[in-house]
Amino acid sequence: AQTVTQSQPEMSVQEAETVTLSCTYDTSESDYYLFWYKQPPSRQMILVIRQEAYKQQNATENRFSVNFQKAAKSFSLKISDSQLGDAAMYFCASPLISNFGNEKLTFGTGTRLTIIP
Amino acid sequence: DGGITQSPKYLFRKEGQNVTLSCEQNLNHDAMYWYRQDPGQGLRLIYYSQIVNDFQKGDIAEGYSVSREKKESFPLTVTSAQKNPTAFYLCASSPRDLRNEQFFGPGTRLTVL
Repeated sequence: AQTVTQSQPEMSVQEAETVTLSCTYDTSESDYYLFWYKQPPSRQMILVIRQEAYKQQNATENRFSVNFQKAAKSFSLKISDSQLGDAAMYFCASPLISNFGNEKLTFGTGTRLTIIP
Repeated sequence: DGGITQSPKYLFRKEGQNVTLSCEQNLNHDAMYWYRQDPGQGLRLIYYSQIVNDFQKGDIAEGYSVSREKKESFPLTVTSAQKNPTAFYLCASSPRDLRNEQFFGPGTRLTVL
């Protein structure tokens, strides 16, 4: 079965330190995007960062960056200089082919990130 | 302001009743989606629609129904056939190509009493 796996249900990090959240996926697509979403306590889903699979350069958005290993189908999120506002659930998402043959975005089970003051 | 609205924010229903969750977007997106979120689980796709008057089942469509009569609207009905409907429901929209991000509404918390 095609899946998106986040192996760390919970992570914690000291404020101002760096943390890496892992994600692996299993798509049969050749040209695709990968996404990391953040869900704070308000439960509003917010896009954090997006990676184009055909680009070798890792995407970066301010303190957020990815380590994209296409051959390994790995897509980890690095948060630098962690801030209290980074506390949230983080979900990675990858396009997969559904049972009905249609392409859909599939989400991992999430990693709950706690920031320690 | 462009965005996605979901109403109501909290919804209570008695067992055996159907209930409809509203989702409206003014982003001019072709595609719309309904997800269910349970504690400890990610988002699971219920139904999605890539164009008006057409929609497809997601991974957990049993006990749910949808319609897509207008581009802006994609209501979800939770029927009495859904065995465990208490959950948080999220609606999203995007341009049709999955290389684009999905934009999410604020969600509806459904509780069956």
